[in-house]
Amino acid sequence: EAGVAQSPRYKIIEKRQSVAFWCNPISGHATLYWYQQILGQGPKLLIQFQNNGVVDDSQLPKDRFSAERLKGVDSTLKIQPAKLEDSAVYLCASSLGGAKAFFGQGTRLTVV
Amino acid sequence: RKEVEQDPGPFNVPEGATVAFNCTYSNSASQSFFWYRQDCRKEPKLLMSVYSSGNEDGRFTAQLNRASQYISLLIRDSKLSDSATYLCVVPSGTYKYIFGTGTRLKVLA
Repeated sequence: EAGVAQSPRYKIIEKRQSVAFWCNPISGHATLYWYQQILGQGPKLLIQFQNNGVVDDSQLPKDRFSAERLKGVDSTLKIQPAKLEDSAVYLCASSLGGAKAFFGQGTRLTVV
Repeated sequence: RKEVEQDPGPFNVPEGATVAFNCTYSNSASQSFFWYRQDCRKEPKLLMSVYSSGNEDGRFTAQLNRASQYISLLIRDSKLSDSATYLCVVPSGTYKYIFGTGTRLKVLA
């Protein structure tokens, strides 16, 4: 069974630039999560989708972050403009509905 | 009390030792809990679920103490390959789960 696919694996950008991450969840998984993990911390939920609807985006900095899951399958997360403190690993995960979430390898973002 | 709290460690233990981590949570209505394992520079992977009656999988035992609002993970006969960060996951709303900051374990030869 194919796992959660994410791209790119690594990205280095300058502050104030834009960046987008892509995620393809496990086939059939209705729930998709985007997490931000800063070095030394646990993953922090940014946004949660159930099919193509947003369930929770309370911790998404909406002035600069946006995410969509148009057809209820793959998803993109965008940051515009990026700040230095956005440097982190962005993890996408999917599940059938419970916390048994499966994670992608993540995108390591460095903002310089 | 924070929604979920873990001792960051590191816990440095010799091979063969038994080690236990706790994770406290604040929402007394929480029902389902999980432990994830995260290797350095890798993604988290589900280690085991935590049931009311406890859960054992080989050398790993997970338990829930509702009265004191914590979950625990016990690792017996530690192996070098057990070195990782162990994240507890606590529910916080419908299909919403909060990760702890993780406890780092180093098993020493």
